[in-house]
Amino acid sequence: DTAVSQTPKYLVTQMGNDKSIKCEQNLGHDTMYWYKQDSKKFLKIMFSYNNKELIINETVPNRFSPKSPDKAHLNLHINSLELGDSAVYFCASSRGWSTEAFFGQGTRLTVV
Amino acid sequence: ILNVEQSPQSLHVQEGDSTNFTCSFPSSNFYALHWYRWETAKSPEALFVMTLNGDEKKKGRISATLNTKEGYSYLYIKGSQPEDSATYLCAFPWSNTGKLIFGQGTTLQVKP
Repeated sequence: DTAVSQTPKYLVTQMGNDKSIKCEQNLGHDTMYWYKQDSKKFLKIMFSYNNKELIINETVPNRFSPKSPDKAHLNLHINSLELGDSAVYFCASSRGWSTEAFFGQGTRLTVV
Repeated sequence: ILNVEQSPQSLHVQEGDSTNFTCSFPSSNFYALHWYRWETAKSPEALFVMTLNGDEKKKGRISATLNTKEGYSYLYIKGSQPEDSATYLCAFPWSNTGKLIFGQGTTLQVKP
């Protein structure tokens, strides 16, 4: 059983489109995150949710909107995609913000 | 400004060599320090979560130490093997904000 699963694994789309990336965890964790991996492989936090509540919105353009329908899911919706949004996006979860994080396999988004 | 710094940025060693790298983090408001291993085309996996000053953790040939007063942690690999080739990340939960901040990583390449 995959602990943290993201779909899709690859996403190629045109500029201006709206797309979503789904994330689900079956670990019973309270905290979920979205990270963006930049060109230097640096993991930069985008959002942090605790028990479906937004804790951190790290100066991300408001074209990015996370949605947490329940504790096990944190989806990322992106409106009006731009070329600069091309990156690998990682979802993660943890029992709390100071405990180890478990990562999904990543979604490689390419905007053309 | 919250900085988590890792050095060196990259390291090339021969099989059998022992190696170590450093993670520096703010020494105030310390809660925990994480180490992750990130293999190419995979997602980061937790190695250690360290919480106490002077903590020393070990998993096989990999060990880590923690100095919270001066704000650094060392990761050691004894007798490096080609399968140890990966990027090693440290991460620092910032206060109770829900922010898990990652360093830029040390990329280790072990040549057979």
